[in-house]
Amino acid sequence: SQTIHQWPATLVQPVGSPLSLECTVEGTSNPNLYWYRQAAGRGLQLLFYSIGIGQISSEVPQNLSASRPQDRQFILSSKKLLLSDSGFYLCAWSVRGASQPQHFGDGTRLSIL
Amino acid sequence: AQSVSQHNHHVILSEAASLELGCNYSYGGTVNLFWYVQYPGQHLQLLLKYFSGDPLVKGIKGFEAEFIKSKFSFNLRKPSVQWSDTAEYFCAVNDVAGNMLTFGGGTRLMVKP
Repeated sequence: SQTIHQWPATLVQPVGSPLSLECTVEGTSNPNLYWYRQAAGRGLQLLFYSIGIGQISSEVPQNLSASRPQDRQFILSSKKLLLSDSGFYLCAWSVRGASQPQHFGDGTRLSIL
Repeated sequence: AQSVSQHNHHVILSEAASLELGCNYSYGGTVNLFWYVQYPGQHLQLLLKYFSGDPLVKGIKGFEAEFIKSKFSFNLRKPSVQWSDTAEYFCAVNDVAGNMLTFGGGTRLMVKP
């Protein structure tokens, strides 16, 4: 069966520090991969999605970037964190192709001090 | 662009009460519709989905949703809620050609024992 792992579960970082959140999927090949940010009362906002290695699409301009160095690995990064980057970040995967439901990781709560 | 509205941000019910959570979307084409649920401390998981066919969809744990195309709605229902249904519920939409979901803002349901 397929599983998705996201780490760390919680992270506290100072303003201006770098960020690297990692997400890996097991039990499937060629998945679509997604990074979301969840804000209270605002649902989930899609940040990045990827349909293949090295292929990243960004949905909103921001201080973050994403990379997909391997088929089942998706990394969310920042060179210098801002206070506004605080939030709950979710990774998700889906089978490639249209009309496929997405499956979510447990999320990372990021607090910027 | 698609958008999804969940008009009830917070709902409080007593056990055995009936539940209906509203979801309206805006998109001119054919869509797939989803309800996701996030129980306290758990990851987001799929509750039910509609792709085509019977507009009344049955999901897990006694939930159902009805797609009314003329109203652009996909309301979630349950005849009798339980304390264990306390969670946050998200409606989501994607167009049949795409892989990306657009989420509503979520509805936080609290069921009092």
